[in-house]
Amino acid sequence: DAGVIQSPRHEVTEMGQEVTLRCKPISGHDYLFWYRQTMMRGLELLIYFNNNVPIDDSGMPEDRFSAKMPNASFSTLKIQPSEPRDSAVYFCASSLEAGYGYTFGSGTRLTVV
Amino acid sequence: AQRVTQPEKLLSVFKGAPVELKCNYSYSGSPELFWYVQYSRQRLQLLLRHISRESIKGFTADLNKGETSFHLKKPFAQEEDSAMYYCALPDYKLSFGAGTTVTVRA
Repeated sequence: DAGVIQSPRHEVTEMGQEVTLRCKPISGHDYLFWYRQTMMRGLELLIYFNNNVPIDDSGMPEDRFSAKMPNASFSTLKIQPSEPRDSAVYFCASSLEAGYGYTFGSGTRLTVV
Repeated sequence: AQRVTQPEKLLSVFKGAPVELKCNYSYSGSPELFWYVQYSRQRLQLLLRHISRESIKGFTADLNKGETSFHLKKPFAQEEDSAMYYCALPDYKLSFGAGTTVTVRA
């Protein structure tokens, strides 16, 4: 298995544009997590899914952020419209169990100018 | 609420010196704790978990329930240990501390 795959690795966009980040979890993992990493706030959980269903989205900063998991092998995190303060590294992780055995993707480094 | 606290954002040590990263937790039950490491611009990876009681890359961490701590230690730091370290507490999700950036100077 190639692990958790995220795309793109880097994204530079202008303020106001829509940004879509993608994640392919490890096959068979029932849990998928989206995290945001910044120097100021560290690693924040944005949302997580269990069996493709969003369970906890309390970490999603505002309505500009949305996440979907249309099937077990794909998830997206969308920001519309994007703002400079959204600049961060966004990580996706998957696991077999809640809280255990996380495998992280390489992250998407987002820069909004 | 379950929580993990890492009081030091930055830690700088010289090569060969001991290094200790502090982690305190609040948890109502019997916790299991992890340390994750992130080398420069790489993905987070599990370094060690307290239940396994093992030493990874020379690092150890002991769970102290009395002090509610799970500090990460290494007696002789190496330059390749420079990274960001996160303490984490699993519950229905994995809660991370704020992270400590370690710089090991030659």
